[in-house]
Amino acid sequence: QLQLQESGPGLVKPSETLSLTCTVSGGSISSISYYWGWIRQPPGKGLEWIGSIYYSGSTYYNPSLKSRVTIFVDRAKNQFSLKLSSVTAADTAVYYCAKSNGDYSNWFDPWGQGTLVTVSS
Amino acid sequence: DIVMTQSPDSLAVSLGERATINCKSSQSVLYSSNNKNSLAWYQQKPGQPPKLLIYWASTRDSGVPDRFSGSGSGTDFTLTISSLQAEDVAVYYCQQYYSSPPTFGQGTKLEIK
Repeated sequence: QLQLQESGPGLVKPSETLSLTCTVSGGSISSISYYWGWIRQPPGKGLEWIGSIYYSGSTYYNPSLKSRVTIFVDRAKNQFSLKLSSVTAADTAVYYCAKSNGDYSNWFDPWGQGTLVTVSS
Repeated sequence: DIVMTQSPDSLAVSLGERATINCKSSQSVLYSSNNKNSLAWYQQKPGQPPKLLIYWASTRDSGVPDRFSGSGSGTDFTLTISSLQAEDVAVYYCQQYYSSPPTFGQGTKLEIK
């Protein structure tokens, strides 16, 4: 059974770069046709897709965040990672990683448990 | 971006009664290649990640109780819980995956009356 787990610092200073990693277990991150994505949820608010990476390494970002986002894969560790630069308090959220089938089947399942990242000095 | 709007924002239903949540997209999400609607529903309980319930607007994910059903086409969709159970208390989200970026509704909070 595929499982995902986020990890990374829970506190980031304003203007710095947020870095998170998602470790995939129970399956290979190199599986053909899977996309690996990041979604965030500010406290008490709704869900926002940040971006996804295809098994081949192709990336797709939300235009609203594209200038600040980088997603990359480490196949040797079966992990994919998120970097979000120049963070502000508005980036405070629970960050989830999730798998999707991509293309035209881009629903998200399963999800990691999520990790809260607070942006504060 | 396709804007997803859910109604109501919150809903209180008695145990055993029907609960209905609506989701409207700002443009059609009907995928012409397979004549299916690119719409998913998720359930999120407090402190947990969203859980996929339904995709292609009406296909239940594996293990999802059959009291959950999805319907609709084009721009208007409905999630129905036929007989509310205590464990169904949660926030429910719709999501379109017709075009990028995938977008979510604002959520509907379902409580017991």
